[in-house]
Amino acid sequence: DGGITQSPKYLFRKEGQNVTLSCEQNLNHDAMYWYRQDPGQGLRLIYYSQIVNDFQKGDIAEGYSVSREKKESFPLTVTSAQKNPTAFYLCASGLYRMEQFFGPGTRLTVL
Amino acid sequence: ILNVEQSPQSLHVQEGDSTNFTCSFPSSNFYALHWYRWETAKSPEALFVMTLNGDEKKKGRISATLNTKEGYSYLYIKGSQPEDSATYLCASSVNAGKSTFGDGTTLTVKP
Repeated sequence: DGGITQSPKYLFRKEGQNVTLSCEQNLNHDAMYWYRQDPGQGLRLIYYSQIVNDFQKGDIAEGYSVSREKKESFPLTVTSAQKNPTAFYLCASGLYRMEQFFGPGTRLTVL
Repeated sequence: ILNVEQSPQSLHVQEGDSTNFTCSFPSSNFYALHWYRWETAKSPEALFVMTLNGDEKKKGRISATLNTKEGYSYLYIKGSQPEDSATYLCASSVNAGKSTFGDGTTLTVKP
């Protein structure tokens, strides 16, 4: 079946550690996105990529890094520089400027 | 940063009531307006994508309109049902390709 997968579903991190969230899609979409959601707020864009080997910062990129070496994959690394990483993270993919298809999300908690 | 605003923040209606929500967005550099439905424990799902001023889209009991000149979109639900309970998100795409989401309207339909 076509779709977007994210792993893990839940992730616990100690302060000072980097962690990487996985996002894979088999929908043959060029564009991929990473969003963060905090309680009571909407989705805020962290990074997005419109094509392989290229990506742009979103509105809240500080403390995060990404790579786009393959069309299917867009992993997000939450670095120790991110001061408040506890949040729900959603990955999405889509055709350029069209509707986005979302994964199930990863809930990250810093211990 | 584009500022996309949604109102109301939450809404409680009785089964059978009709309701509507508003999404306001900056009209400069506008490309597309997206509506998503986000049910609890699921991923956001696309409802509509609208690009032209005056666009109207309909899917069953749900419809949406778009006014790009004044920068707003309305989402209407006719005869609300408990299964319509969800958070409804709108997002505005600009020429650069990224989308900015509003904080959403959470609808609760009481049987």
